[in-house]
Amino acid sequence: QVQLMESGGGVVQPGRSLRLSCAASGFTFSNYPFHWVRQAPGKGLEWVAVISYDGFHKYYADSVKGRFTISRDNSKNTLYLEMNSLRGADTAVYFCARDEEGPDYWGQGTLVTVSS
Amino acid sequence: QSALTQPASVSGSPGQSITISCTGTSGDVGGYNYVSWYQQHPGTAPKLMIYDVSNRPSGVSYRFSGSKSGNTASLTISGLQAEDEADYFCSSYTSSSTYVFGTGTKVTVL
Repeated sequence: QVQLMESGGGVVQPGRSLRLSCAASGFTFSNYPFHWVRQAPGKGLEWVAVISYDGFHKYYADSVKGRFTISRDNSKNTLYLEMNSLRGADTAVYFCARDEEGPDYWGQGTLVTVSS
Repeated sequence: QSALTQPASVSGSPGQSITISCTGTSGDVGGYNYVSWYQQHPGTAPKLMIYDVSNRPSGVSYRFSGSKSGNTASLTISGLQAEDEADYFCSSYTSSSTYVFGTGTKVTVL
C-alpha cells in the first residue's frame, strides 16, 4: 500500500535552515509529481510547493518562493524540502503528498517550530 | 494566491444532507476541473474524498458527492453520520501551475 513518511522536523531559530524528507513506498515513486503542504497550529491547509515526476519542473507558493526548495531523488524514493531563512510564520506541520490530478495520498506530517 | 472561500462551519442532524461551497475565480476553480475535497479529523492527515470535481476514490462512501458551477465547487454529504464530523477543505489547480486550498469548513453532526 502507499506509504509516505516525513522526517526532519524540529525546533529551529528564526533565520536558520532545516531540511525535511519524505520517504515513499508501495508504488513507483518516479511516476508521480509530489507536493508539500503545511498546516499551522489550529489553522487550515496551505499549499507550499510541487515538483514534477522527473524533478525538472517546480512551482512554489509566494509565501516561500526564494526561501524554500523542493527536490527529489528517484533512486532513493525520497522527496525533500530545503527551508532557509525560516520565520515564525513557517511554524506548521508539513505534509508531503503524492499527486494524481491533485494531492491524493498524504503522509502523517512532521512539525516544524520556528522559535528563539 | 488567495485561499478559496468556504463557510467556516456547517451543521446537520444525522440522516440529513449538507452542502459545503468552495468559491474561487476563473483562474482556479472556474478554469479547471481539478477540484479536490479532503476530510481531516483532528490530529490526522487529510484524506481525499473527491477529485476532478466529482470523482470518488475507491473506498470513499457514495454519500459524498461533488459538483461545480462557474467559480464555485460544492461538496454534498448525504445521510449525515456521526463519523462525518470533521474539517473539510477544497483545493484547486490554478493558472499559475500552482495549487490553492480553501479556508476550511468544520462540519458538526448535531
